[in-house]
Amino acid sequence: EVQLLESGGGLAQPGGSLRLSCAASTFTFSSYGMSWVRQAPGKGLEWISGITGDGGSTYYADSVRGRFTISRDYPTNTLYLQMKSLRVEDTAIYYCAKQSGWDGGSFDCWGQGTLVTVSS
Amino acid sequence: EIVLTQSPATLSLSPGERATLSCRASQSVSIYLAWYQQKPGQAPRLLIYDASNRAPGIPARFSGSGSGTDFSLTIGSLEPEDFAVYYCQLQTNWPLTFGGGTKVEI
Repeated sequence: EVQLLESGGGLAQPGGSLRLSCAASTFTFSSYGMSWVRQAPGKGLEWISGITGDGGSTYYADSVRGRFTISRDYPTNTLYLQMKSLRVEDTAIYYCAKQSGWDGGSFDCWGQGTLVTVSS
Repeated sequence: EIVLTQSPATLSLSPGERATLSCRASQSVSIYLAWYQQKPGQAPRLLIYDASNRAPGIPARFSGSGSGTDFSLTIGSLEPEDFAVYYCQLQTNWPLTFGGGTKVEI
């Protein structure tokens, strides 16, 4: 069974940084693109960043471009999201999601989410 | 950037009734649209991909249709566990945006 386990969430101050991790297991990590999707309290789903299977291409929503960086590590099968210059509006549950394809596709497996709270 | 618009925002129905949810794209996306179900406190779950293909383990009462710009998700006969929020999602053409969601409530 495909498993995704996020970690790294918590409380950060405005302007601060956090790094989220997503440990993947039981699938060929390099064969699939991965994404981060977030959900602010009481709101809908927002795709924020994606990366191709080989890590050669990365994509960002306008809301996080220039502040967040997605990356992946193959020996450890881990997806990362480095978040800088955090804003109050970045407060959300952050999910990592496996894409059905190498570049794009549906999200066929999701982690349980990790909560990021940005507040002074 | 392609925008996905879902309607209605809320659908009030009873168990056993048929639910039809709509998702409209601002430009053609061919068949590359997915649907998800999300219950409170849970991660989303993939229901339908490529407009009409059920994901593994999804009951047959869930069906998807459409192509181009207009898509539908139909729940043939609502079960109590189907009351949730449903999202459509663009599968290709980055960014992989989501629609705003439809809440199916009792």
